[in-house]
Amino acid sequence: SYVLTQPPSVSVAPGKTARITCGGNSIGSKSVHWYQQKPGQAPVLVIFYDTDRPSGIPERFSGSNSGNTATLTISRVEAGDEADYYCQVWDSSSDHWVFGGGTKLTVL
Amino acid sequence: QLVESGGGLVQPGGSLRLSCAASGFTFSSYWMSWVRQAPGKGLEWVANIKQDGSEKYYVDSVKGRFSISRDNAKKLLSLQMSGLRAEDSAVYYCVRDSYGGDFVEGFDYWGPGTLVTVSS
Repeated sequence: SYVLTQPPSVSVAPGKTARITCGGNSIGSKSVHWYQQKPGQAPVLVIFYDTDRPSGIPERFSGSNSGNTATLTISRVEAGDEADYYCQVWDSSSDHWVFGGGTKLTVL
Repeated sequence: QLVESGGGLVQPGGSLRLSCAASGFTFSSYWMSWVRQAPGKGLEWVANIKQDGSEKYYVDSVKGRFSISRDNAKKLLSLQMSGLRAEDSAVYYCVRDSYGGDFVEGFDYWGPGTLVTVSS
């Protein structure tokens, strides 16, 4: 089965740039989606189709995807960005959605 | 809007039926999914169903025990769970899945979730 690998944690100072990676075999050939989840809340889609932002998501959130790594980039990080972030792909070989293990973003 | 119901405490081996009422969009135009999250753990996709119910897919750990269904006339998504195990304990989210079947949109709408606890 397809596996997505994320770092368990990333720390960043306010105003700096956070990069959260999502590794998978030839993930560049798949569409990657990213979710933000704050404690006690349902996840929120922040990036879909590798690079697209849903309406209402700040431009500070961006995505890229190439080779074996997809990346969620959060520019000018704010305290309110502290959350768990998950990547996701559709694995057409198994007809399954797959989530990464999640990354806890800490704003120092 | 998506609103789940039906969660609760159930004994191991028992059954439970979750429901999800949809509103505010054309329910029959979208694939729908269930996603779960065990306490303190990550997200796990459970199952999804095509617009007309003709295709259904399940994560391996629930195959043969869970059954997803939908009623487009009532805008209702369901998850029938049987043979429940402690490891099925989680918050279960109803989510809006793909429109075109190419799965490039992500899950853009989520319900608040319903808690299922499997314990004796």
